[in-house]
Formats: sequence, structure tokens, C-alpha cells
Amino acid sequence: NAGVTQTPKFRVLKTGQSMTLLCAQDMNHEYMYWYRQDPGMGLRLIHYSVGEGTTAKGEVPDGYNVSRLKKQNFLLGLESAAPSQTSVYFCASKLRDRGVTEAFFGQGTRLTVV
Amino acid sequence: AQSVTQLDSHVSVSEGTPVLLRCNYSSSYSPSLFWYVQHPNKGLQLLLKYTSAATLVKGINGFEAEFKKSETSFHLTKPSAHMSDAAEYFCVVTDSGTYKYIFGTGTRLKVLA
Repeated sequence: NAGVTQTPKFRVLKTGQSMTLLCAQDMNHEYMYWYRQDPGMGLRLIHYSVGEGTTAKGEVPDGYNVSRLKKQNFLLGLESAAPSQTSVYFCASKLRDRGVTEAFFGQGTRLTVV
Repeated sequence: AQSVTQLDSHVSVSEGTPVLLRCNYSSSYSPSLFWYVQHPNKGLQLLLKYTSAATLVKGINGFEAEFKKSETSFHLTKPSAHMSDAAEYFCVVTDSGTYKYIFGTGTRLKVLA
């Protein structure tokens, strides 16, 4: 039972490079989320998706793009990485149930932009 | 709009003494509230959740939280701290009016021997 799987777990990028983080869930959840975690700021929502083919902006969307072409996958893209995007990124998924169940989280991706 | 305020960024307690981590929320609809724990360099683990059933919620590892609508609070408590409780704790709110799952800024718990 894999749950939520994030790929890769670690990555170092140079400023200006691009990359894609992959999130895969095997629980048939409708909702998926991307967060970034920075010291003292908790987890801040970057983008989210309420279903296949739909995405929406969260609190801190600038510099990121997302796609949800398949229900089980949610991709986070950085087109031109900046040092301010150094962070730990978490993906989560959740059932569509008017809020009564919890979200399940991946183990995180530690990204460093130099 | 929903929001969560964790009132203390750091809390220190001695081993064997009670733990209180404070959380206040704002929500336009009936909220669901959660507490997560994150040990150093680890992922997020669900401690407990409130979803409009009993207002006193029991979770794992001896933690519990009480939902108080009049105070818009959901404080996390434990009668006796253990060294293994040292971690960062996050309060989360969601509700039926939104898809968003909103985190507080976290409270780092330190347990002194």
C-alpha cells in the first residue's frame, strides 16, 4: 500500500534550470495538493486540484505550474528555478467528502537552488 | 476564508509534565480540524482529527484535543510529556465550503530531561 509517493526525494538545481516534481497516489482521491515548507512558516499551499484536468492557485503560486492529466498524478513544475524556491515540497491527496477526512502526505522533496 | 493561528512558535516542557499547544481557527462553515506531528527530517503524521462528532478528541500517543466553538479553539494536550514527543506540531483547518487544507505556522515542542 504505497499511499502518496513523491519523486525525487532530493534535488539540487542551478538558478534558471527547470524541473518537474511528480506526485502519485493510489487511493483514488479526487483532491491533490502541493505545499512548500519553510522554517517558521508552516506549510503553504502552492496549487491544488479538485479533479482530473482541473487545477487552481493556492497561497504562493508564483514561479510554479501544475498539471493533473491523470487522476492519480499531480505534477509540479519550476520553469526557471530561483534560490527563493529552495524548500521542502510536500504533496498530499484527499477524498472529496466536504472536509471530514484527513489528507495523506508524501515524504517530501528537498530542493536546493544554488 | 479559513485561517489557523498557532499561538506559540516554541514550547518547552520538562519530561513528565503536561503539554499544551494552542490553536485558534477561523472558518465560515462548520470546520474540520486536525493536528499533525513532524519529527526532524520526517514526514507528517496525523495525531487526531475533529469532524463535528465528539468535541473531545483522543489521538495517538496519549494526545487529545478539545473543540471549543465559542472560543474558536482546538488546543492539543497531553498529561505527561515524553522525550519522544519532541517535534513540530501543526494545526490544520478545512471545511465543507472549500477544498483547501490550511496549515498553521507550527509549534516546536522541546522536552527537557
